[in-house]
Amino acid sequence: ILNVEQSPQSLHVQEGDSTNFTCSFPSSNFYALHWYRWETAKSPEALFVMTLNGDEKKKGRISATLNTKEGYSYLYIKGSQPEDSATYLCAYYIIQGAQKLVFGQGTRLTINP
Amino acid sequence: GAVVSQHPSRVICKSGTSVKIECRSLDFQATTMFWYRQFPKQSLMLMATSNEGSKATYEQGVEKDKFLINHASLTLSTLTVTSAHPEDSSFYICSAEGQGQGETQYFGPGTRLLVL
Repeated sequence: ILNVEQSPQSLHVQEGDSTNFTCSFPSSNFYALHWYRWETAKSPEALFVMTLNGDEKKKGRISATLNTKEGYSYLYIKGSQPEDSATYLCAYYIIQGAQKLVFGQGTRLTINP
Repeated sequence: GAVVSQHPSRVICKSGTSVKIECRSLDFQATTMFWYRQFPKQSLMLMATSNEGSKATYEQGVEKDKFLINHASLTLSTLTVTSAHPEDSSFYICSAEGQGQGETQYFGPGTRLLVL
């Protein structure tokens, strides 16, 4: 059974502080890792698709890194704002057999004003 | 761009009835769409992969006669929960894949189903 783990499950951060959280995935047969942001009552929004070991991608105050050899990715948010409150999902893309995304449980981030 | 709509957003039905959920890609063509289910405090779990013009591929443990999927056009896939029972109550969400293997999936906002 393929396991994608995210930690922590939930996180409370003071507005203006920076934060980060982790996605762990199998290091063998890596193809791609996706990050999504999911605000309540909205559609999950794609943040990054990461494919290369050592990749670092950035979108505004949010960035992500990838280590495929050890099987983890970090998502960083710099200078958290209330609008960053959401659940952040990572998903590991499988290409053996059926091609599909396997999701972690998410990290629920709450920014306290 | 890359907007996916899903209807209805919420549905309450009686046990034994069937419910149809629509997933539409509004501004792009999607040869592949996905249907997920989420139980409380759990991950999004893939139910089936839907390819335009062909039969859906169901994940292990998902009853294909229970969850009927139709993908008749490049912009529409439907999921019908047949003879729904209270245990089918859940959150169902669809996505459509962009061009290319492993590319971003664009999600609808989901449908909350409650079966009484």
